[in-house]
Amino acid sequence: QTVVTQEPSFSVSPGGTVTFTCGLTSGSVSTTYYPSWHQQTPGQPPRTLIYSTNIRSSGVPDRFSGSILGNKAALTITGAQADDESDYYCLLSVGSGIWVFGGGTKLTVL
Amino acid sequence: QVQLVESGGGVVQPGGSLRLSCVASGFTFTSYAIHWVRQAPGKGLEWVALLQSDGIDKCYADSVKGRFTLSRDISKNTLYLQMDSLRTEDTAVYYCAKDNRNYSPDYWGQGTLVTVSS
Repeated sequence: QTVVTQEPSFSVSPGGTVTFTCGLTSGSVSTTYYPSWHQQTPGQPPRTLIYSTNIRSSGVPDRFSGSILGNKAALTITGAQADDESDYYCLLSVGSGIWVFGGGTKLTVL
Repeated sequence: QVQLVESGGGVVQPGGSLRLSCVASGFTFTSYAIHWVRQAPGKGLEWVALLQSDGIDKCYADSVKGRFTLSRDISKNTLYLQMDSLRTEDTAVYYCAKDNRNYSPDYWGQGTLVTVSS
C-alpha cells in the first residue's frame, strides 16, 4: 500500500517563504508520479494549484511554484499572504490508474 | 464555463446503498476522465475512483473496490457512483473532479455529503 507523507502543519509570516514536501514511505517521488498540489479552505472544495510537478493551473498566482527537491515533490509559496492560510494536499499518480493523496499540510499565516 | 454538480447524498444505514450523480457541463464529457474524491469529517482528502474518458476503464481505491461502481450516461452528461455495502467509515463529502489529461484533477464540484449511520 502506497503511503504519501506531508508535514502536518507549517506556519509562515506574511511576506515570508514556505516550502511543503510530499514524499513516499517507500521510495522517491519523481516527475513520473505527476505530483499535483491542491489547496482547500474550510467548507470549500479543493482548488488545483500545480500539476505535473511544476505547471500552475490557470489563474494561480506565480508566488506558488512546484518542484522536486531531493526525493520529494515540493510546493513553495514565496511572499505568503493572509489568504494563503489553508490546507494543502499533494496527489500522486502511483500507477495502474490509481492516485493517492498525502495527509495534507495545514498552513498558518501569522 | 466548466461545472460539475454532485447530488444524491444523504443518510443511509450500514450495509445500505446510495447512488451519487455528477452532472458535467462546459466541456466535452466524453473527452476527459472524471475522478471521485472524498473527505471524511475533519479529515484529509482521499482519492476514491476514476472513470477514464472511454467510459470503459475504471479504477478504484482498495478501500472501495468491490463495493463502489462507476458508470455514466452520455445523453445526460452524468457520471454515477453506485455505493453498496456502505460502512460507517464511508461517511464523507464526495467530490467529482474533471481530469486535465495531465494526471491531475483541475475542476471540482461542490460536493455531496454521505452519512452512513444507524
